[in-house]
Parts: sequence; structure tokens; C-alpha cells
Amino acid sequence: DTAVSQTPKYLVTQMGNDKSIKCEQNLGHDTMYWYKQDSKKFLKIMFSYNNKELIINETVPNRFSPKSPDKAHLNLHINSLELGDSAVYFCASSQGFTALGGEAFFGQGTRLTVV
Amino acid sequence: TQLLEQSPQFLSIQEGENLTVYCNSSSVFSSLQWYRQEPGEGPVLLVTVVTGGEVKKLKRLTFQFGDARKDSSLHITAAQPGDTGLYLCAGGGDSGYALNFGKGTSLLVTP
Repeated sequence: DTAVSQTPKYLVTQMGNDKSIKCEQNLGHDTMYWYKQDSKKFLKIMFSYNNKELIINETVPNRFSPKSPDKAHLNLHINSLELGDSAVYFCASSQGFTALGGEAFFGQGTRLTVV
Repeated sequence: TQLLEQSPQFLSIQEGENLTVYCNSSSVFSSLQWYRQEPGEGPVLLVTVVTGGEVKKLKRLTFQFGDARKDSSLHITAAQPGDTGLYLCAGGGDSGYALNFGKGTSLLVTP
């Protein structure tokens, strides 16, 4: 059974389009995250949700809107896609906050390519 | 922002060699974690170190947390091709909630 699953794994789309990435975890965790990994492999936190509430919103353009319908799901919707949005997006989950030493479980990532 | 600097950025060695990867910061962390990421996959936790001076061993991997809890190292003995991957250190971010990651060390072990 996949612990953290993201769909789709690959996404190729044109500039200006709107797209969504879905994430589900079956670990019973209360905290979920979205990370962006750029072409140099740098992994940067975008959002963090705890019990469906937004806790962290780093300096991410407001074209990115996360939604957490329940504790097991955290989706990412991106409006008006730009070339610079091309990256690998990772969903992760943890029980409690990872900054306090909790283990983060990552999905396989969604490779987004904007053309 | 609590920055984590990793060195070296790239490392290419032959099977059987030893190597050390460093993770340094000017900030104090309550804990540091090491993750390994293989191509096409998400990072997977290797270890969490929480006590200054702590040393943890995971088979051929030895992790050390600095006394001042500002730095950590990962030493691999007799590297094998299966050790190939991106090694990431991570510590608690400024927000106190999510991890900040270093830029990673990309390791290639050739037979």
C-alpha cells in the first residue's frame, strides 16, 4: 500500500493554463505539506496544513492555492501557469510537525513542465 | 531563515571507498534529519539526531550531530553502488513547523 500518493506523476501543460495536483495519505497523519524541488534539487517548503488548517504559507505566489478537504488529503491548484513553475512538487505528511523531529513521509512527486 | 549548507555538492567515487558529507549552519537546531532521495522518488528518512555530540550508526552509515547542534556529518564506509542518491540534511524551519532542507549532496558510486 502506498503511504503518500500523488497524482499525476507527470504533468505537461501550456503557459496560462490552470492545473491541480492531488495528494492522499493513508498513514493517519495530522499534518501535510507541499514542497517544491527545483532543477538544482533544492527542496523548499510551500505550505503546511495541520488538521485541515493552513499553518505555513511561505512566499508563494497567490496563483498557488492548497485545499485540504480532510486530514488525509491535500490538493494543490495552480492558476495561470508560468514557465518558472516547472519543477517537481512533493506532497509529504507527518504525525506532528517535522520541525520537532517527526518523520516526513514523501510522495513520489509530480513533475510539472510548463511549455 | 535557518540556512543549511551541505558539502560537497557532488561526489563521484568508486565502490569500496569511504566518504563524508557535511551539513553546517549558523543556527542551533533541536534536531537534524538526514534523508536519501533516489531518482524519480521522494526523500526517505535515514536518521534523526537530537542530542549534541550524538553518534548514530545505520549499517555502514555513521551520523554525527555537532556538540553545539549547528552541524552534522554523514560518513559512509566502503560505499556500494546502492548508496548512489541525493543525500539531504534537514532541520526545523523558522516557522517551527516544517523542515528546511539543505541543497543536497549528489553521490555516485561506480562499480
